[in-house]
Amino acid sequence: GQNIDQPTEMTATEGAIVQINCTYQTSGFNGLFWYQQHAGEAPTFLSYNVLDGLEEKGRFSSFLSRSKGYSYLLLKELQMKDSASYLCAVIDSNYQLIWGAGTKLIIKP
Amino acid sequence: EAGVVQSPRYKIIEKKQPVAFWCNPISGHNTLYWYLQNLGQGPELLIRYENEEAVDDSQLPKDRFSAERLKGVDSTLKIQPAELGDSAVYLCASSKSTDTQYFGPGTRLTVL
Repeated sequence: GQNIDQPTEMTATEGAIVQINCTYQTSGFNGLFWYQQHAGEAPTFLSYNVLDGLEEKGRFSSFLSRSKGYSYLLLKELQMKDSASYLCAVIDSNYQLIWGAGTKLIIKP
Repeated sequence: EAGVVQSPRYKIIEKKQPVAFWCNPISGHNTLYWYLQNLGQGPELLIRYENEEAVDDSQLPKDRFSAERLKGVDSTLKIQPAELGDSAVYLCASSKSTDTQYFGPGTRLTVL
């Protein structure tokens, strides 16, 4: 079966750096997305990786290793507003988007 | 550019009643998705449309759920009759083909 694993919950301190990991086992691979979802709101797009390496976008970066079936989302200079769930999703060989359960990130002052 | 529009935002009904959700995708997006999301979980695909054709409805409980996308733009998702276990957030998303999906605000359904 297809599977995406993320930690259920993480806690970090305001101003610090946090890395949220995602491992996947899917039938084929055509790209990986990270979405942010605040409580009671819809997911919003953060990043897309299809090639190995690091994609940087402001305070957020996303890394992909296709050979290891692994990605991480790196958040720097954490702010209270970064408290949210972070969803990893993979496009499989049928171009279906397979979603992880999300990682709830709690930021403490 | 306007985002994905959904209505209603909230709906409370009694079990066995029917309910319908409406979605207007981003202009120019030919692909439309309906998802169900339970608290603390990722979205679960119910149905995917490419233009007016349902290309993936394998996860749609067809005994009680139905969907349509007339003219390949707006879409409606219906549940009849609703059950207690249908309480969830129903998300609509749209994209250009297999590109990034953009989500609407969702409809939070409570079945009593």
